[in-house]
Amino acid sequence: DGGITQSPKYLFRKEGQNVTLSCEQNLNHDAMYWYRQDPGQGLRLIYYSQIVNDFQKGDIAEGYSVSREKKESFPLTVTSAQKNPTAFYLCASLQGAGNTEAFFGQGTRLTVV
Amino acid sequence: SQQGEEDPQALSIQEGENATMNCSYKTSINNLQWYRQNSGRGLVHLILIRSNEREKHSGRLRVTLDTSKKSSSLLITASRAADTASYFCATDPTDNTNAGKSTFGDGTTLTVKP
Repeated sequence: DGGITQSPKYLFRKEGQNVTLSCEQNLNHDAMYWYRQDPGQGLRLIYYSQIVNDFQKGDIAEGYSVSREKKESFPLTVTSAQKNPTAFYLCASLQGAGNTEAFFGQGTRLTVV
Repeated sequence: SQQGEEDPQALSIQEGENATMNCSYKTSINNLQWYRQNSGRGLVHLILIRSNEREKHSGRLRVTLDTSKKSSSLLITASRAADTASYFCATDPTDNTNAGKSTFGDGTTLTVKP
């Protein structure tokens, strides 16, 4: 089955630590996205990548970093510079920009302890 | 600020009733999409309407788009308890600086009581 997989489902981070969230897709999609969702709110774009080895900042990129070394993978690192990282993180992919639906992973819930 | 904004923020109806939620946006778009999110899960695509379309149907869903008013509505007919979820609109902007950056609103939380 084709799809987009995020792992882990739950992640706990100590203050001052960096953590990496995994996102893998086998849909052969060019574009991948990371969103942050806070309780009761919508999605805010962190980073996106429309092609391998290239990515752009979204609206709330500070404190986050990404890489896109392979088409299938778009990991997100939440660095210690992100002051309020507790949130639900969603990864999405789509075949190309415009006129196509986005496929979402099931999310990773990150909690700072 | 968010490109797409849904209203109402929350909607509670009885099973069998229709549910209507609205989305407003600010800039020119290529298309507008509606997504559903069950609590604690990822989003699932429901329907896409292109900027040159005015209305689209998919099963119990009916979406309208008014580009002159920069607004869209999602109608769910004969609602079921299983329709309980949050619904988001997302817009795909036409301007080059935002190409590929779909933006989401804060969503409408729908509760369907059995």
